[in-house]
Amino acid sequence: ETGVTQTPRHLVMGMTNKKSLKCEQHLGHNAMYWYKQSAKKPLELMFVYSLEERVENNSVPSRFSPECPNSSHLFLHLHTLQPEDSALYLCASRAGLNTGELFFGEGSRLTVL
Amino acid sequence: QQPVQSPQAVILREGEDAVINCSSSKALYSVHWYRQKHGEAPIFLMILLKGGEQKGHDKISASFNEKKQQSSLYLTASQLSYSGTYFCGTEGSNDYKLSFGAGTTVTVRA
Repeated sequence: ETGVTQTPRHLVMGMTNKKSLKCEQHLGHNAMYWYKQSAKKPLELMFVYSLEERVENNSVPSRFSPECPNSSHLFLHLHTLQPEDSALYLCASRAGLNTGELFFGEGSRLTVL
Repeated sequence: QQPVQSPQAVILREGEDAVINCSSSKALYSVHWYRQKHGEAPIFLMILLKGGEQKGHDKISASFNEKKQQSSLYLTASQLSYSGTYFCGTEGSNDYKLSFGAGTTVTVRA
């Protein structure tokens, strides 16, 4: 139990569906991250938010749309995905940018058919 | 600019030692080490900050050579619980990208 909760844990969607992944932390952290973890590939940084402001978009396709309504919640909106987007999506939070360690959620396993 | 980890995998017997290396092509502010077991979230092990320090966590320790932009993780007298995939993450002074290496899979056998 890291204090970071992700829902849903598993998601199967078609290429034309719209779905969202949710991440929640009540650790009082100010920075939140989305990472993509595919089989046999490094963890890929997708987005970084600090105090609800996006500070990093690591060349992620527009079919992934992040939203950070407050410092405790982070969403990843998914639209018109491709089968190669199937992966484990990990959310993490941190006290601040360049401050302390990452606390990871258990991830949302996404399968795109 | 993701760091490069080596080796990709290592198999140990209980009580044996191992070293995992992590190198970066950019000037580093910090190096993080995490361990992930199958089906679980990565768990933090330690952070090393610019300054060339060495840290320890039980029988797992690490060093950071900022001049060479390298870090090493040392697993000493390995236990079965050390099995998992170890990731190094690196961060520059002026960026917010905590980028990870491909991971090193460690298997400890009785």
